[in-house]
Amino acid sequence: DAKTTQPPSMDCAEGRAANLPCNHSTISGNEYVYWYRQIHSQGPQYIIHGLKNNETNEMASLIITEDRKSSTLILPHATLRDTAVYYCIVPASAGGTSYGKLTFGQGTILTVHP
Amino acid sequence: SAVISQKPSRDICQRGTSLTIQCQVDSQVTMMFWYRQQPGQSLTLIATANQGSEATYESGFVIDKFPISRPNLTFSTLTVSNMSPEDSSIYLCSVPGTGTPDYGYTFGSGTRLTVV
Repeated sequence: DAKTTQPPSMDCAEGRAANLPCNHSTISGNEYVYWYRQIHSQGPQYIIHGLKNNETNEMASLIITEDRKSSTLILPHATLRDTAVYYCIVPASAGGTSYGKLTFGQGTILTVHP
Repeated sequence: SAVISQKPSRDICQRGTSLTIQCQVDSQVTMMFWYRQQPGQSLTLIATANQGSEATYESGFVIDKFPISRPNLTFSTLTVSNMSPEDSSIYLCSVPGTGTPDYGYTFGSGTRLTVV
């Protein structure tokens, strides 16, 4: 897996956008960027993934730089329930289908405050 | 995406005993993964369990301590053997996404183990 670097913690006001950065400078051309989050005492939850184009789903948006060496996860209107640890992971993949193990770093602790 | 049922959700065990954790998946999957999350830490992969073959353990984890069974494509168990307080952690199973494009890995809700 390509190594990723994330800030250890971030704060966000409720209702504002939360922008979580991730560096993955050693990413290969066919490797996807995945984001997961872990709310306290629960198993990690898949959020979104992308290869080179920006992606959006009902949970978040993912912005990937043109050189693919970094990305930003955007929670457009953060709520208190979005307080969690957010993990950016680049697993080994083939053709858009992930396989193999996930290597978790320390992630970013996002705290959403009223 | 797959749905995983993991049991037990938590347990308090005496040192020297063993605990078996079960994960049941609602669909057939070739690969299952077992993770450990020590207090205040991130997830660490213990082993990969493929049906029909021996589990593959990561560095620092051995089969005698963490035996794994994978009797079919929907079920796996992880046993934490001869437990000590250092084994107090959350243990999670996971399966990869299915289909193309996939929707990420699915994780069980975890087993919170306390060894006293």
